[in-house]
Amino acid sequence: GAGVSQTPSNKVTEKGKYVELRCDPISGHTALYWYRQSLGQGPEFLIYFQGTGAADDSGLPNDRFFAVRPEGSVSTLKIQRTERGDSAMYLCASSPTRGGGYNEQFFGPGTRLTVL
Amino acid sequence: GENVEQHPSTLSVQEGDSAVIKCTYSDSASNYFPWYKQELGKRPQLIIDIRSNVGEKKDQRIAVTLNKTAKHFSLHITETQPEDSAVYFCAATSSNDYKLSFGAGTTVTVRA
Repeated sequence: GAGVSQTPSNKVTEKGKYVELRCDPISGHTALYWYRQSLGQGPEFLIYFQGTGAADDSGLPNDRFFAVRPEGSVSTLKIQRTERGDSAMYLCASSPTRGGGYNEQFFGPGTRLTVL
Repeated sequence: GENVEQHPSTLSVQEGDSAVIKCTYSDSASNYFPWYKQELGKRPQLIIDIRSNVGEKKDQRIAVTLNKTAKHFSLHITETQPEDSAVYFCAATSSNDYKLSFGAGTTVTVRA
């Protein structure tokens, strides 16, 4: 079946602009995660959704970052007033139920965000 | 929170030789340790995982070992092939948690 998909694959924006990154999880997966991966580093947790609700947003770096998942499927990560330091690969993952508990997280291909 | 350290950051091996990557973790509550392989420009993909109730797990040329007392786990790749060239990430989490804490990654290059 189809894996996790993310759009766009690349996004170039100017400092101060607003961006939205989209994630389509594997059908039926209730858990969804956003991670951010800087060059040469491992992915870092941003936010976790169980169904429609954000169960843990402790990884969001500041209030410019926000994410939604209104129908418990597609999720959008929103970044306001982008800064050059926001440039990174943004990865989305999903799992059938809650992650941890030995449930594999399946990753999408990522969105490469570049803030000029 | 959990802190995972991974070594080495780069590893170059001759085709056919073995590669070993080591990780340590800080949270004694962690009990699930997946390893992901990320090829250039591709998504991370799970290659093997281990739970804390076992000390070793093997899948063809790949094996993972876990030492809970010392809080470290390792990935072993035997008979390396050019297609093993990639970045490998270790991660840790617990069954009561959901977010994965990743190491910084190891870039493995297999020389033909």
